[in-house]
Amino acid sequence: GQNIDQPTEMTATEGAIVQINCTYQTSGFNGLFWYQQHAGEAPTFLSYNVLDGLEEKGRFSSFLSRSKGYSYLLLKELQMKDSASYLCAVKDSNYQLIWGAGTKLIIKP
Amino acid sequence: ETGVTQTPRHLVMGMTNKKSLKCEQHLGHNAMYWYKQSAKKPLELMFVYSLEERVENNSVPSRFSPECPNSSHLFLHLHTLQPEDSALYLCASSHGTSGEYNEQFFGPGTRLTVL
Repeated sequence: GQNIDQPTEMTATEGAIVQINCTYQTSGFNGLFWYQQHAGEAPTFLSYNVLDGLEEKGRFSSFLSRSKGYSYLLLKELQMKDSASYLCAVKDSNYQLIWGAGTKLIIKP
Repeated sequence: ETGVTQTPRHLVMGMTNKKSLKCEQHLGHNAMYWYKQSAKKPLELMFVYSLEERVENNSVPSRFSPECPNSSHLFLHLHTLQPEDSALYLCASSHGTSGEYNEQFFGPGTRLTVL
């Protein structure tokens, strides 16, 4: 079967750095997405990786290793507004998105 | 403003009621999706439409009936639901369904409670 694993919940301190991991086992790979979802709101796109390596976008970076079936989302200089759920999703060989259950990130002052 | 709107935002219904959820996208996309989001579970894809034709139906119970009259509008008709159907129902759209990228844009969702 197809599976996306990410931690259920993480806690970090304002101003610090946090890394949210995602491991996947899918039938084929056509890209990995990270989305952010604040409570009661729509998921919004953060990043897309299809090749190995690090993609940096401001305070957020996303890393991919296809050989290891592994990705992480790195958030720097954490702000209170970063408290949200972070969803990892992989496009399989049929271009269907397979979603993880999401990681709830709690930022403390 | 995500460009995808959903109404109503909240809905409470009894098991014998019939109701409909509405989604509208203003992004000029050709594909639209219905997802079910339950607490601490992955997003479950329910239906996919591409150019107004259903291309995916992930074994969803017949008490959920989708309708896509044009590429901008998507409905989910509900009847004789069960309490376990209570969840957040999300609509999304994208340029297409194939291809590697095709970022999906989501609406804010309808929070459905079935009594």
